[in-house]
Amino acid sequence: DTAVSQTPKYLVTQMGNDKSIKCEQNLGHDTMYWYKQDSKKFLKIMFSYNNKELIINETVPNRFSPKSPDKAHLNLHINSLELGDSAVYFCASSQDSTSGVGTQYFGPGTRLLVL
Amino acid sequence: AQSVTQLGSHLSVSEGALVLLRCNYSSSVPPYLFWYVQYPNQGLQLLLKYTTGATLVKGINGFEAEFKKSETSFHLTKPSAHMSDAAEYFCAVTRMDSSYKLIFGSGTRLLVRP
Repeated sequence: DTAVSQTPKYLVTQMGNDKSIKCEQNLGHDTMYWYKQDSKKFLKIMFSYNNKELIINETVPNRFSPKSPDKAHLNLHINSLELGDSAVYFCASSQDSTSGVGTQYFGPGTRLLVL
Repeated sequence: AQSVTQLGSHLSVSEGALVLLRCNYSSSVPPYLFWYVQYPNQGLQLLLKYTTGATLVKGINGFEAEFKKSETSFHLTKPSAHMSDAAEYFCAVTRMDSSYKLIFGSGTRLLVRP
């Protein structure tokens, strides 16, 4: 069974379009995250939800809107896509967001290319 | 603010040679430190982590790392490289506020020559 899954794996779209990426975890974890990995492999956190509540919201354009319908799912919707949004987006989950020691489990990534 | 510095964006070693991936951190409070590995076209996988206690931490696939507070370092080592170790390696530190989010280094790509 896949622990953290993301769909789609690849996403190619035109500038200005709106797209969504879905993430699901079957680990029973309380906390989920979205990370962006740029072309130089630099990873940066975007958002985190704990039990459907937003707890981390980094300096991300408001074109990016996360939604957590339940604690097993965290989706990322992106409006008005721009060339600079091209990246790999990783979803992750962990049992505990408050102690700092919890291992984060990552999904396989969604490779977004904006043309 | 916390940060992580990984020295060298690429490291090339021969199969069977020692692997040493360097990581230095800055933190005003005791950190929690992690090493993650990313194989081509995959997500990240935890290799090992240091939280408290023993400063020499053993991880998966024969890797280990030592937390040295005096040097603010958490270098990753493996005595003998295998071809299957070729991947991108990321050092990370938690940010010691209520969010405990991971701050990643810029990564080091390990190449293993036959």
